[in-house]
Amino acid sequence: DAGVTQSPTHLIKTRGQQVTLRCSPISGHKSVSWYQQVLGQGPQFIFQYYEKEERGRGNFPDRFSARQFPNYSSELNVNALLLGDSALYLCASSLAGAGPGDIQYFGAGTRLSVL
Amino acid sequence: GENVEQHPSTLSVQEGDSAVIKCTYSDSASNYFPWYKQELGKRPQLIIDIRSNVGEKKDQRIAVTLNKTAKHFSLHITETQPEDSAVYFCAASIPGRRALTFGSGTRLQVQP
Repeated sequence: DAGVTQSPTHLIKTRGQQVTLRCSPISGHKSVSWYQQVLGQGPQFIFQYYEKEERGRGNFPDRFSARQFPNYSSELNVNALLLGDSALYLCASSLAGAGPGDIQYFGAGTRLSVL
Repeated sequence: GENVEQHPSTLSVQEGDSAVIKCTYSDSASNYFPWYKQELGKRPQLIIDIRSNVGEKKDQRIAVTLNKTAKHFSLHITETQPEDSAVYFCAASIPGRRALTFGSGTRLQVQP
């Protein structure tokens, strides 16, 4: 059973660099959400995409951007990396991404370390 | 925006005891409240959820209660087992806002 897959598993970057994280949702799911989880804290919402359109954005700077492709996979891009961007980046997929009961299923995440 | 507070941050119980984790939310419009379990190095997994039109939901050893007036909801785990040891997150979502707002997590340790 193919769940949400994310790549890469780990990344090490230096300040100022750019990074691209990838996510493939569960087959049949059309919505992808991205969350940032800093060590010891709960996930924080970054973006949600549905049918290739941005449907929600959290309180993150413009250095963060994302997109969704026709096959519903998604990329999260972060430019001009800061030390504070070090975190676990989680992708969640859901059928439609709206309303109670539209369950979000999480991937295992990409752990980004910024040195 | 929505704010979710969760406590305690850590909880240690003996195997077989019950564990209770509590969350409060700020936006009375919130209508969906999932609970996720995250084991070390693994993905968050949904264990139970509740909608605002229901006061309580139970699934085997796990139950969630919701008090809309007080704006708080709780996770109850009975007959705890060592494999229940993990970090538990509560979350809330508001209609029309396509995001989950998470609490800060509770690290549950079940001592054999």
